[in-house]
Amino acid sequence: QKEVEQDPGPLSVPEGAIVSLNCTYSNSAFQYFMWYRQYSRKGPELLMYTYSSGNKEDGRFTAQVDKSSKYISLFIRDSQPSDSATYLCAMSQGFNDMRFGAGTRLTVKP
Amino acid sequence: GAVVSQHPSRVICKSGTSVKIECRSLDFQATTMFWYRQFPKQSLMLMATSNEGSKATYEQGVEKDKFLINHASLTLSTLTVTSAHPEDSSFYICSAVPGLAGGYFFGPGTRLTVL
Repeated sequence: QKEVEQDPGPLSVPEGAIVSLNCTYSNSAFQYFMWYRQYSRKGPELLMYTYSSGNKEDGRFTAQVDKSSKYISLFIRDSQPSDSATYLCAMSQGFNDMRFGAGTRLTVKP
Repeated sequence: GAVVSQHPSRVICKSGTSVKIECRSLDFQATTMFWYRQFPKQSLMLMATSNEGSKATYEQGVEKDKFLINHASLTLSTLTVTSAHPEDSSFYICSAVPGLAGGYFFGPGTRLTVL
């Protein structure tokens, strides 16, 4: 079993839809949780950063962490074609041990 | 947010030559930087952890004599692909951590094509 599981998709939604992206993990020691967005041929861009459990909202993006279920989510409201990208979840226990999900390819159709 | 740059953004070279890629943290100091490789439509694969002033730590299966890493200062790490071959063609990305409360920040990546 991989430490971090993420459905690679692809996921296609119409413009304006709510997008839900998820990851599960097996290491209960993870305490830092991140979501990255990566456009084609670009480096990943940090979208959301969460420590421990709870919700965090930033504009149209909401990140949720449920440590009891070892499950994290990213919600995108009012999705736009510009949101089309690959979304990577990442998590770490400490400073130098980040683990990435496989990434989910999202396409938002106009 | 913190800014990480990479140079060059794109390089094409002949088989057998060596290529150096630079990773710089522009507005923070990074005692640790990371190097990843990413093949098309695949996720990031950690190659090595670069530590300022000490030897890099390589992931299993990554040839340390082929992928030379030098972290000479708190803002610069370099990856040299020695005697590059077509199978080394990939997207190389570095990341750096400004501190515990910020996550990792990635460079824009370097696309290497070996002919």
